[in-house]
Amino acid sequence: DTAVSQTPKYLVTQMGNDKSIKCEQNLGHDTMYWYKQDSKKFLKIMFSYNNKELIINETVPNRFSPKSPDKAHLNLHINSLELGDSAVYFCASRMVGGVETEAFFGQGTRLTVV
Amino acid sequence: DQQVKQNSPSLSVQEGRISILNCDYTNSMFDYFLWYKKYPAEGPTFLISISSIKDKNEDGRFTVFLNKSAKHLSLHIVPSQPGDSAVYFCAAEGNRDDKIIFGKGTRLHILP
Repeated sequence: DTAVSQTPKYLVTQMGNDKSIKCEQNLGHDTMYWYKQDSKKFLKIMFSYNNKELIINETVPNRFSPKSPDKAHLNLHINSLELGDSAVYFCASRMVGGVETEAFFGQGTRLTVV
Repeated sequence: DQQVKQNSPSLSVQEGRISILNCDYTNSMFDYFLWYKKYPAEGPTFLISISSIKDKNEDGRFTVFLNKSAKHLSLHIVPSQPGDSAVYFCAAEGNRDDKIIFGKGTRLHILP
């Protein structure tokens, strides 16, 4: 039973398209994140949501818009995809309020923009 | 600006020996440090952590050492096993403020 699941696992699309990556966690955590691992293997935080509220937005282009319909979901929508958006995107969740936990990561979504 | 640095991109260690992975950080506000392990095509998984009030934390074969004055931490794996071959990410956060900063990772190869 997967704790943090992302779909799709692989995504190949053309420049200029709009795409979404979905993330769901069944751990009851109150905080969810999106991280980007670029070609240099850097894992950089993009966004953080706590109880559906945006907490962290790390100088990510406006083309990236996270949406959290509820505490268990944090989706990432990307408009007008560019070649430089090609990367592996990881969703993660953790409990910050109450009994804190470490972050649990999804398996990643490899996005390739051609 | 890299706040968490792992200067060795890869490391090869003989099976049964000790693996030592190093990490340096620049932000003195960090007060919690973590190591994550990552296999190919999988997400990082939490391995071990240490609070800044401690200088050592041990969990089975894994021990993390923290030297606050040097802003340096290390992960020791002993004895190293084939299944330990993976990429290891050092990470840090300050005041549990929701943001975990990762290093670039070190790829560990355990040789038979």
